[in-house]
Amino acid sequence: QSALTQPASVSGSPGQSITVSCTATSSDVGNYNLVSWYKQHPAKAPELIIYAVSKRPSGVSDRFSGSKSGNTASLTISGLQAEDEADYYCCSYAGSSTLVFGGGTRLTVL
Amino acid sequence: QLQLQESGPRLVKPSETLSLTCTVSGGSITTSYYWDWIRQPPGKGLEWIGSISYTGNTYTYYNPSLKNRVTISVDTSKNQFSLKLTSVTAADTSVYYCARHYPGYSGNYYAFDIWGLGTMVTVSS
Repeated sequence: QSALTQPASVSGSPGQSITVSCTATSSDVGNYNLVSWYKQHPAKAPELIIYAVSKRPSGVSDRFSGSKSGNTASLTISGLQAEDEADYYCCSYAGSSTLVFGGGTRLTVL
Repeated sequence: QLQLQESGPRLVKPSETLSLTCTVSGGSITTSYYWDWIRQPPGKGLEWIGSISYTGNTYTYYNPSLKNRVTISVDTSKNQFSLKLTSVTAADTSVYYCARHYPGYSGNYYAFDIWGLGTMVTVSS
């Protein structure tokens, strides 16, 4: 399976916007608009925050948004808040009913 | 509200088989959803292990890197699905999560919308 590459860490100050990238080493992400994003606090199960590249599940703040260009998907968090500090993972459909996760990005709110 | 709960031994010896069960409550396992196993080694990222669906016939899909050691099965009478991972080593020490996703361009578009709390499994003698 190909990998999805995420930056190991990003940081921002309260109120700022940050973007986390998710780049496929092959065309997994590019071929399908089936990228999802998850937020994970320490010792907790991941939580779905974006699906189908840019759709938000009910109850997820509109400060979270997603996009995709070519083989790179992106998660943007605007109006950064202290509770946004967490690990963020992208995931993509990779064909043949398989899925692949990115390595994860730790967000630090300064 | 649908809930998932993992259960099984927390300690497995090297070379033995890891076995976990996920109990689905608040809904039926015999729907169009796929039921997944995902793991996370301590301090590391998430890894999709595989999934199963049952709508009369059983369909399974596995991570190519694990498919030689993994079997996922379903017990519709108990509303459960299970994971077996053979020939385990210390590298299989992880938190194991069960989850579900909807396949296709509808619903949640292959996203994992419900997760269990996870169970830590340690491989050690």
